[in-house]
Amino acid sequence: KNEVEQSPQNLTAQEGEFITINCSYSVGISALHWLQQHPGGGIVSLFMLSSGKKKHGRLIATINIQEKHSSLHITASHPRDSAVYICAVRGIYGGSQGNLIFGKGTKLSVKP
Amino acid sequence: SQTIHQWPATLVQPVGSPLSLECTVEGTSNPNLYWYRQAAGRGLQLLFYSVGIGQISSEVPQNLSASRPQDRQFILSSKKLLLSDSGFYLCAWSYPGTGELFFGEGSRLTVL
Repeated sequence: KNEVEQSPQNLTAQEGEFITINCSYSVGISALHWLQQHPGGGIVSLFMLSSGKKKHGRLIATINIQEKHSSLHITASHPRDSAVYICAVRGIYGGSQGNLIFGKGTKLSVKP
Repeated sequence: SQTIHQWPATLVQPVGSPLSLECTVEGTSNPNLYWYRQAAGRGLQLLFYSVGIGQISSEVPQNLSASRPQDRQFILSSKKLLLSDSGFYLCAWSYPGTGELFFGEGSRLTVL
């Protein structure tokens, strides 16, 4: 079983729809990251959070530490949101700096 | 502002040939530096990280090596490439003591 599971693996939405991507993890963490990988391959860090909720523009990330679960929401989705969204966690115990545990990503396609 | 550059963007190399991927960071001092690999259909995997000049930690035993000859320069090398070295390689940096990662544009390596 992977330590970080994302769902769905693939998601197709119509422009304007509200989108939710889920991430569940099985280890104790100190932080959770949401990353966006564009078709060209470049990765951008969207959020780093350890509790509660963060908002940036149309993106909202929430985390429930007790349930070991995080969600990434996109409001009023747009074709330019089409990308792979990756959840990654930093474990509490040991591990090297930068050794995040990555999910396999959710591929989002927003149709006009 | 801080920027990270990685090159080459695309590389096609024969089996047994050497490899050198270079990454430089601008606008910050003493960053933590990382090399990740993303194989097809798999999550990101940490290969090497460095907290200072000449200080390299390897996460996964393999055919690759890394060096940090200068504070803001990180190089990924191989003496003889294997087919299994094909993938997408990403350099990243973070401020020491923080978790947020900033990624380069990536280098796509195909070994034939």
